[in-house]
Amino acid sequence: DTEVTQTPKHLVMGMTNKKSLKCEQHMGHRAMYWYKQKAKKPPELMFVYSYEKLSINESVPSRFSPECPNSSLLNLHLHALQPEDSALYLCASSQDRKGARYGYTFGSGTRLTVV
Amino acid sequence: AQSVTQLDSHVSVSEGTPVLLRCNYSSSYSPSLFWYVQHPNKGLQLLLKYTSAATLVKGINGFEAEFKKSETSFHLTKPSAHMSDAAEYFCVVSDRPGNTPLVFGKGTRLSVIA
Repeated sequence: DTEVTQTPKHLVMGMTNKKSLKCEQHMGHRAMYWYKQKAKKPPELMFVYSYEKLSINESVPSRFSPECPNSSLLNLHLHALQPEDSALYLCASSQDRKGARYGYTFGSGTRLTVV
Repeated sequence: AQSVTQLDSHVSVSEGTPVLLRCNYSSSYSPSLFWYVQHPNKGLQLLLKYTSAATLVKGINGFEAEFKKSETSFHLTKPSAHMSDAAEYFCVVSDRPGNTPLVFGKGTRLSVIA
């Protein structure tokens, strides 16, 4: 299995809702990443998990809360989002953080719309 | 510090003609370099990677790139464009041996005209 699976593919939520994005990989990778991508822009790093521990938080607002329950799963909990948070959210994984030199495997993303 | 510059924001070619997407990098160490492709409303797919082995790297779908240290370049080429190549292409760098995450270029949109 050489895939990163993200669910849901599309999500529409109100500004008072709580929702979660899910990411799963079964490649034995020990580093996992959340990226945010706005239209016509490159992905922007949000969080990095290494061996299930948060190692990088790129000053992301607290309305985004990551969680890594085990080595295969990565969640992103969303609460009280703003319309400007609408974007494509991408999950990625790599062998480990040093293994990033071999590249990341990306999921297909969750298209989030905040209304 | 590492950085990557994609020299063209948009490239337009006719179907069947060569493709050249240009990328220059800056790195404090010996870098790893990647090209990713993103089709509309899709995730990113790895096209090819350079990790200090052969300087001419072959990837999927007929793409290749050459690592030129003297020019700090990693340009992406394909001999003959196909309509399905129309997409956004990102040049990406990773320092070695560091733990720093990948750094993305701003992207080049490739249009293929029939």
